[in-house]
This record gives sequence, C-alpha cells and structure tokens, in this order.
Amino acid sequence: SAVISQKPSRDICQRGTSLTIQCQVDSQVTMMFWYRQQPGQSLTLIATANQGSEATYESGFVIDKFPISRPNLTFSTLTVSNMSPEDSSIYLCSVDRQGARGYTFGSGTRLTVV
Amino acid sequence: AQKITQTQPGMFVQEKEAVTLDCTYDTSDQSYGLFWYKQPSSGEMIFLIYQGSYDEQNATEGRYSLNFQKARKSANLVISASQLGDSAMYFCAMREDDYKLSFGAGTTVTVRA
Repeated sequence: SAVISQKPSRDICQRGTSLTIQCQVDSQVTMMFWYRQQPGQSLTLIATANQGSEATYESGFVIDKFPISRPNLTFSTLTVSNMSPEDSSIYLCSVDRQGARGYTFGSGTRLTVV
Repeated sequence: AQKITQTQPGMFVQEKEAVTLDCTYDTSDQSYGLFWYKQPSSGEMIFLIYQGSYDEQNATEGRYSLNFQKARKSANLVISASQLGDSAMYFCAMREDDYKLSFGAGTTVTVRA
C-alpha cells in the first residue's frame, strides 16, 4: 500500500495565524482526502482533493477556511486559516489506492491553537 | 442520519481473551466496503481488516476477524487472544460509491494484564 509522509507532525500556533500541512505520497494517486479529528472524537472528512480540479468540500467546511492545493498526483497541502482554539485537532490526509482495500493515512498533524 | 454506528464507547478485556466490537451501518448502495482501523494514542490510523459487500466469506487477518451479517447490516470486529498492545481506539468505517470513508464514533479498548 502507499506510504504517505505528512508534516509537520505537530505544531502550536497563535490564534489568527495560518498553518499549512503537507502530504507527500510515494506513488501517484487519483484522490486524496483530508480529515479532521477533534479531541476525543471520530474522523470527519473535510474535503476531497483531485489533481487538476478544485477540491470538493463537505458540509460545514469552506475553502476560505481550509484552502487545499493538489499540484500533482503525489502531493497535496491543506491550510488551516485564521486559526482559533476550536481548530485544535489532529488533521490527517488519506489516499485510496485503486485496487487496494485499505485506505492509507498519513501520520497526522497534531495542531494546538493558543 | 448516521451511516456507521458504534454503540460501545469503551470496553475492557482481559489479556489473552477475545473481544467483539460492534458496528452497524446504513447504506442504500449495493456495492460498498467496510473497514476497521486501530488508532493508538500516537494518533496514527492502522488498517486492520476489510469486508466487501459482495464477499461471501467473513474476512480474517491474523487475530482479527470480521463477523459480517449483511441482512442485519452489521460488521462486528473480533479480536482474539488480546494483547496489551491492542489497547487503542477502534473505528469502523464504510466506503460507498463516492469512495469517501464514513467513520463511526469509535470504541476504546483497554486490555488488562
């Protein structure tokens, strides 16, 4: 299955600032997914990133707050903009390898906003 | 409506015993996939087992087996011979035609020595 390098692994940020999270996959994939996991909660899909088109956002998530880039088939970034303490979460990227049964996840970015 | 329901917030199991984690799902798709993931305190998501909607046999992966009852829309995970390292959060998830994963609320498993 795919190997995903996600960074940073953790960060502490001041409110009002932005943080960009990167995910690099070791092979080309069609779809990349970005999730948020708030403390003690399950994973919630933020958006699906396809190369060459705008990301598709889930209800409750908007592009101005979570802009996503997908410049090629192996890389994507998620930016958390104008952060507030409520954005403190683990953010994970994931890929669906065509033909593979398990979605692979990055190691996660543990974000704390102070 | 919830697509994946995990009704057990937490479970305790004695080392070397088996534990069953419940998962029910809701979908109108004919083709779907069911997954179980383990999330230790480190936060990484570890794939455990997969069951396709058309698979007639229950999936097994080492100490993990999936009790798939399609008519009841349930996909329970059985962990046999529990080990201390099995202490973690376990998530049931479903993939439908749009390839997105929907996750349940999770079950925390604590293995006692």
